[in-house]
Amino acid sequence: ETGVTQTPRHLVMGMTNKKSLKCEQHLGHNAMYWYKQSAKKPLELMFVYNFKEQTENNSVPSRFSPECPNSSHLFLHLHTLQPEDSALYLCASSQDLGTSYGYTFGSGTRLTVV
Amino acid sequence: AQRVTQPEKLLSVFKGAPVELKCNYSYSGSPELFWYVQYSRQRLQLLLRHISRESIKGFTADLNKGETSFHLKKPFAQEEDSAMYYCALYYNQGGKLIFGQGTELSVKP
Repeated sequence: ETGVTQTPRHLVMGMTNKKSLKCEQHLGHNAMYWYKQSAKKPLELMFVYNFKEQTENNSVPSRFSPECPNSSHLFLHLHTLQPEDSALYLCASSQDLGTSYGYTFGSGTRLTVV
Repeated sequence: AQRVTQPEKLLSVFKGAPVELKCNYSYSGSPELFWYVQYSRQRLQLLLRHISRESIKGFTADLNKGETSFHLKKPFAQEEDSAMYYCALYYNQGGKLIFGQGTELSVKP
């Protein structure tokens, strides 16, 4: 599949579970991003990676732990989440941080914390 | 601080009517602005960029620096335009793209 692929599409987890979200892009982009989309709120930027290095942590709680092993893959490790963390988590990529050509988004992972 | 505001959560119009989706921004530098669209059950996708001054699917948006606005317009709405529309501001510090709250456009037959 081309573009940005996110797995799983849906995830239900308990507050004591540990799970990971995966994002993969085949666009040759160097920058990747995690966004959180909650109901009635704007998309919130969580993390920014450029050439595998984290360049931004937007005051995200430590129960969210990103990992970027290479420029094509981005993970979001989740542990001891709260019900208010239920949301759509979107991954995006762009050619690099300096581009204003916009981002390419994945379809998202719908997370429900019970 | 950088901010994008879309004052309308929902905009409902009839087919063939003109549409204007409002977006205001707050940014001290030179802004680069975008409109993204999310159709039902589809991923968020870029609609247009102010810098390219293009018209996509009949939509246009003009940057007004005096009013700090980037409103999205279409003269004749179509039912297939029904979607969530997000205005976004790109700023160079860290290459960040920040979004407004989104406006749901509903075009009725």
